[in-house]
Amino acid sequence: GDSVTQMEGPVTLSEEAFLTINCTYTATGYPSLFWYVQYPGEGLQLLLKATKADDKGSNKGFEATYRKETTSFHLEKGSVQVSDSAVYFCALNPSNFGNEKLTFGTGTRLTIIP
Amino acid sequence: ETGVTQSPTHLIKTRGQQVTLRCSSQSGHNTVSWYQQALGQGPQFIFQYYREEENGRGNFPPRFSGLQFPNYSSELNVNALELDDSALYLCASSSTGQGLKTQYFGPGTRLLVL
Repeated sequence: GDSVTQMEGPVTLSEEAFLTINCTYTATGYPSLFWYVQYPGEGLQLLLKATKADDKGSNKGFEATYRKETTSFHLEKGSVQVSDSAVYFCALNPSNFGNEKLTFGTGTRLTIIP
Repeated sequence: ETGVTQSPTHLIKTRGQQVTLRCSSQSGHNTVSWYQQALGQGPQFIFQYYREEENGRGNFPPRFSGLQFPNYSSELNVNALELDDSALYLCASSSTGQGLKTQYFGPGTRLLVL
């Protein structure tokens, strides 16, 4: 079945450091890929998405590129801020249309220290 | 535009009891999906409702059931609660039509079973 594997956390970085959170997936067909963020005590917020190979999703300085050849969707940010401290989830939808279920990774907790 | 809302925010129950959680979908959305997020884990898909009917189900026992109403709001019911049912329950709404439908999440209901 479909699965998502995320970089083990927690990750602690200093402010303005470069961030990479690794995400790889297993799926049949052509999934769509997402990054969601969860701030303390809150639900999930969509951060960015990509629906086909080589697409780059971006939002709030975060980027991720859909790499079909390596089945990866790594999240990157050039200069992190304290406000980026949260748990980040990589997820896939098994198709690039419709409303099918999301399969999530286990999440990566990110802490940014001033 | 009103986002996804859930009630209650927190709930404490004892083993064997029954619980009902509620979700109001985002304006313009007619599909509701429910997820269970255990502590330190990614969300797991429970089921989805579209046009008041179940439209896909994850690996959860029948004591997890749901409803969707004509205004697209939804309920999640869990009977015979077990300690392992303690989790954050997330509702997500999405629209239908052409193309990929992004799921937007509510803040969740945190359930503690004692």
